[in-house]
Formats: sequence, C-alpha cells, structure tokens
Amino acid sequence: KAGVTQTPRYLIKTRGQQVTLSCSPISGHRSVSWYQQTPGQGLQFLFEYFSETQRNKGNFPGRFSGRQFSNSRSEMNVSTLELGDSALYLCASSLEYPGVDTQYFGPGTRLTVL
Amino acid sequence: KQEVTQIPAALSVPEGENLVLNCSFTDSAIYNLQWFRQDPGKGLTSLLLIQSSQREQTSGRLNASLDKSSGRSTLYIAASQPGDSATYLCAVPQRSGNTPLVFGKGTRLSVIA
Repeated sequence: KAGVTQTPRYLIKTRGQQVTLSCSPISGHRSVSWYQQTPGQGLQFLFEYFSETQRNKGNFPGRFSGRQFSNSRSEMNVSTLELGDSALYLCASSLEYPGVDTQYFGPGTRLTVL
Repeated sequence: KQEVTQIPAALSVPEGENLVLNCSFTDSAIYNLQWFRQDPGKGLTSLLLIQSSQREQTSGRLNASLDKSSGRSTLYIAASQPGDSATYLCAVPQRSGNTPLVFGKGTRLSVIA
C-alpha cells in the first residue's frame, strides 16, 4: 500500500507570495491532518479534514487555509507569505480519527520564504 | 490544555546500550499515546501506539510503557544501534479521541559506533 505523499518536496518563495501544498493520504484513509514544524516551536497542528469538512483547526491566522476533495486528497494554502512561515509542513492521514487511529505521515514539504 | 514534555532533549550513547526516553503529559484523560521517530529533514514514522487501557506495547527492540495516573510514558530501546539515531517524539490527543495530536519537542538520540 502506498504511503502518504506530499508535493512539492521543496519550495522557495518570497514574502507576499502565496503557496499551495498537496497531500495524498493512504488509500482508505479519510482523515487528513496538517502540521507545521519549526526548530523553535516543534510540531504545531494546523487543521484536520474529514469527508471534505474541516473538523478541527489550530491556532493559526486566516492566511492559512485548506480543503479536502472527495477522494480524500487535501491541499493547504498560505497567502501573503511571511518570513516566519518558513518551516517543514507535514501531512498525516488516519482511518477516521487522528486521536484514535495511528497517524501516518508524509515526507513533508520544506518551505523557505525569502 | 494538554502539554507534552520530553526529557532529555538530547542523548548520546555508545552502541549496544539499553536506553530509556521519557514523555510526560499534563492531562491524564488520554485515549492513547503514540511514539514516533523522525530522521533529519524527513517525516515521522509511527513506532508504537499504546491504548489508555494498556500498560505496555512492544515492537522488536522497542517497548513503550504508559502510566496514565502519573501522566508518564517511557520508550525503552534495547541494544541500541547506530541506525537508531533519530529524534523520538511522543504525542497524545488534545482531549477526546476525535481531536488532533499534541506533540512533545522530542529527544534527539545519537548512538555512537
């Protein structure tokens, strides 16, 4: 069974631009979660989607948004990029509930904002 | 608010040693606890998921224990190898099972050959 895939793996953007990251979960998994990882803050939860609905949201500004498609694939978008948005963005999928089922992570997208 | 702490932040041991990584959490009403491994610049790999009703979970050379009442979990690695070098993170759900995970900042392990 294929694992969680994320594209692109690396991105370099400049301040003010916007970016879209993509995540394909494991086949059959309906829950997709997004996390931001930085050296200072560690892993911080962004949002979680289940059946095309945002089910949970972390404490991030409205510049961060996401969506999930009917095939469970998910995208996240960051608008008006800031230097502090430079991070590793990780996507994870689970069968139904991230706090109940094992979460499987993708390799991440490394975003650098210049 | 659930908070997860991992001590030590970094650990260096010679190959072959048995070692223990610690994880503590503030809200003991957890559904489960997960241990993950992360290699530099990579995603997380799930190692063990231990249910709140369990005391231990084992996978190969890894053994995780859970003491909900004291808010602690330990990950025991037997006969460490250089390939075990990575960052180990533990995570618990924020509240009920239908909530996202809260992660500790991890323990960076180096196993020296």
